[in-house]
Amino acid sequence: DTAVSQTPKYLVTQMGNDKSIKCEQNLGHDTMYWYKQDSKKFLKIMFSYNNKELIINETVPNRFSPKSPDKAHLNLHINSLELGDSAVYFCATKTVNTEAFFGQGTRLTVV
Amino acid sequence: GESVGLHLPTLSVQEGDNSIINCAYSNSASDYFIWYKQESGKGPQFIIDIRSNMDKRQGQRVTVLLNKTVKHLSLQIAATQPGDSAVYFCAEDSWGKLQFGAGTQVVVTP
Repeated sequence: DTAVSQTPKYLVTQMGNDKSIKCEQNLGHDTMYWYKQDSKKFLKIMFSYNNKELIINETVPNRFSPKSPDKAHLNLHINSLELGDSAVYFCATKTVNTEAFFGQGTRLTVV
Repeated sequence: GESVGLHLPTLSVQEGDNSIINCAYSNSASDYFIWYKQESGKGPQFIIDIRSNMDKRQGQRVTVLLNKTVKHLSLQIAATQPGDSAVYFCAEDSWGKLQFGAGTQVVVTP
């Protein structure tokens, strides 16, 4: 039973489209994150939610909108996709003063 | 390897040797530090952590050292094995904001 699961694993789409990535965790953690990993493997924090409330919103274009319908889910919706959005997106969860657990990633390719 | 710049540093290690991966962190208020290993096509996985009230912690074949004075972390892997080939990240946790260094690619050669 996967602790943090993301869907889809791969996503290929055209520029200008709108797409969503879903994340679900069964660890009971309060905090969930979205990270973007670029081609140089750099992991950049995008958003963090705690108990469904947005607590970290880094300098991310407002085409990216996270939504947390409940504590176990954090989805990422991206409008008007651009070539530069191509990356691997990771969902992660943690609780206070413990390590974060990551999903397997969603490789987004914008063509 | 150190978490600065835009490139991915690479550390080439012979099988059986010890590896040392270095990381500079940025926030002196960070109180919790974690090392992650990322294999190709997978998400980062926890290796070992250390809190700011410690300067050394040992696990199985891994040791993390923390020098708060110069804001430096290192990960030592003893007797490196082919399965240790991966990208290694340090991360600093400041009030729940978990930020990663640039990562170091470790390549284990026979």
